[in-house]
Formats: sequence, structure tokens, C-alpha cells
Amino acid sequence: AQKITQTQPGMFVQEKEAVTLDCTYDTSDPSYGLFWYKQPSSGEMIFLIYQGSYDQQNATEGRYSLNFQKARKSANLVISASQLGDSAMYFCAMTHYGQNFVFGPGTRLSVLP
Amino acid sequence: GAVVSQHPSWVICKSGTSVKIECRSLDFQATTMFWYRQFPKQSLMLMATSNEGSKATYEQGVEKDKFLINHASLTLSTLTVTSAHPEDSSFYICSARDDEASGSSEQFFGPGTRLTVL
Repeated sequence: AQKITQTQPGMFVQEKEAVTLDCTYDTSDPSYGLFWYKQPSSGEMIFLIYQGSYDQQNATEGRYSLNFQKARKSANLVISASQLGDSAMYFCAMTHYGQNFVFGPGTRLSVLP
Repeated sequence: GAVVSQHPSWVICKSGTSVKIECRSLDFQATTMFWYRQFPKQSLMLMATSNEGSKATYEQGVEKDKFLINHASLTLSTLTVTSAHPEDSSFYICSARDDEASGSSEQFFGPGTRLTVL
């Protein structure tokens, strides 16, 4: 069965510092995609970054990078130069092509001024 | 990027009434859409997979007679909460896959519908 684990229910980071949000996953299928979404208080799911299971390089999107360690089945999100607007819930998710997302429990990030 | 809309964004209804939520893919066709439910301070949980022209596939524990799904066109799926009760109060989010993006695992999320049943 597919499962996503996020062990940090809440995280604090000082503005302008970097923060790492942990995500581990479990699947027996070699083909999968890993996503990170940001959910502010408004509820919308904002796509941040994607990593395919066969991608050789770690994904990067602006201030977001994904530390993909396939053997350890981890896909941690790194946010550099945190901003106050980064305060939100962050969900790690996995999908097998064409199927639904399986979401982790989420991490609430609070950026301190 | 691809856009998915949901209507209404917020609804309050009395216990025992039915509520219909629409999910539309605005600039792409979606044979498959997904409906998720999110209770406060929890993660998104898949309720059902909606397939255009066929019956929806429901997850274990989700009552198909209570949560009616109709995917009548390639751009519209509807979720009807029948005889709603306070425990159905939740945030309902749909997502859609772009039929043209074969091989891609990306899905596009709607903005969500917040349902409150009094």
C-alpha cells in the first residue's frame, strides 16, 4: 500500500533562513511521482515542486528544492530564504501515473519575523 | 497553467438538505477527476474517482448513495451530498487530469468548497 509520512506536525523558521520539511514514502511500484503542495488558510492547494521516480537530478523551482533520496524513500522539501508569506500547511503527496494522490498528514510552517 | 474551478466556494445548508458541488476543468478536457475531503487540521483524503461516462469508483467507507457523483462531460464533474448532516461539514476539493498530458502524473486542483451543515 502507498503511504506518505511527514513527521513534523509543526515547524518554525526565522525569516530569511532556510528550512527543510521531511517526507518519506512507501510504495512497491517503481514508477511514481512525488509532489509538494502549499495550502494557505484559504484552502487552495498550490503546486510547488515535482519529482519523478526516474529523474536523476533533484528538482528545483525557484526557492524550492527537493532533496530526493530514492534508496531511503525520502523527498524532503527545502525552502531557502523563508518569507512571511511561506507560513502555511505543506503537504507531500505521491501518485502513480493516472491515479489519485496520496497525501501525507502535513506540516504547518510558521515563519517568524 | 490548467485551471480547475469549483462552485460554490462556500455553502451553508440545513441538516437534511442536499448540496451539489461542481468541478470544472476550464481549459482542458478531463476524463478523470478526483474528489477529496479534508476535515479541519487534517490531510486530504480521497473519496472517489470520477470517470466521464461511467460510474464513479468510491473509496472504502464512502457511501455512494450519500455522495452522488456525476461526470457527464469531459469538463464537468458534480458531487451531490444528499441529506447532509453536520458531520458532513468539511472542505471538499476536486482535482482533474489533463487528457492531453499523457505520461504526466500532474493533476490540477480546484480551489475547494467549504460545506457547513447546520
